[in-house]
Amino acid sequence: GAVVSQHPSWVICKSGTSVKIECRSLDFQATTMFWYRQFPKQSLMLMATSNEGSKATYEQGVEKDKFLINHASLTLSTLTVTSAHPEDSSFYICSARDPTAAYYEQYFGPGTRLTVT
Amino acid sequence: GESVGLHLPTLSVQEGDNSIINCAYSNSASDYFIWYKQESGKGPQFIIDIRSNMDKRQGQRVTVLLNKTVKHLSLQIAATQPGDSAVYFCAENSGGSNYKLTFGKGTLLTVNP
Repeated sequence: GAVVSQHPSWVICKSGTSVKIECRSLDFQATTMFWYRQFPKQSLMLMATSNEGSKATYEQGVEKDKFLINHASLTLSTLTVTSAHPEDSSFYICSARDPTAAYYEQYFGPGTRLTVT
Repeated sequence: GESVGLHLPTLSVQEGDNSIINCAYSNSASDYFIWYKQESGKGPQFIIDIRSNMDKRQGQRVTVLLNKTVKHLSLQIAATQPGDSAVYFCAENSGGSNYKLTFGKGTLLTVNP
């Protein structure tokens, strides 16, 4: 079945530094990937849609200069949290859409726990 | 029984009982719905989906019911097992060609042995 990986699975960084999170589709080519943020006991909130070879589309209220997304290949999208602050601490989850699969189905990665100290 | 916490509704059932998890969706134009299971510290896992031209779909031990009149979706789990304990989210397609999904608030299911 379709597998999506994320790296790292968890990261701790100091306030003011930048952190890069990778999302890979392992056995299919993903023209579209999605980045979500999830706070404890809350739902997934879509941050942005990442399309291979073009600029990401950000949801309202998400700062594109703070959350940099690069979808450089059909199997890799990266999210860079720039100048991280404690309020950016969250669970970041990516998903990927296999264009050959069912209607709107997305395959999710295992998530990355970011803690900013 | 079912209760609504500060952020996450909860449902507690006994092992072997059937569970029903409900979801009210927001967009009457949505035409595709998915139920996901999320275990603690992990990403969501696909359970079952349904298109708006159907009102019921069955999988292995799970059934999804769709009532478009009242914009309501439910997930029924038969013979609930401890391994079913997780947070369950419904998601609806947001429309358009970008395949975005909008997630509901989620329900924490706890199965007591």
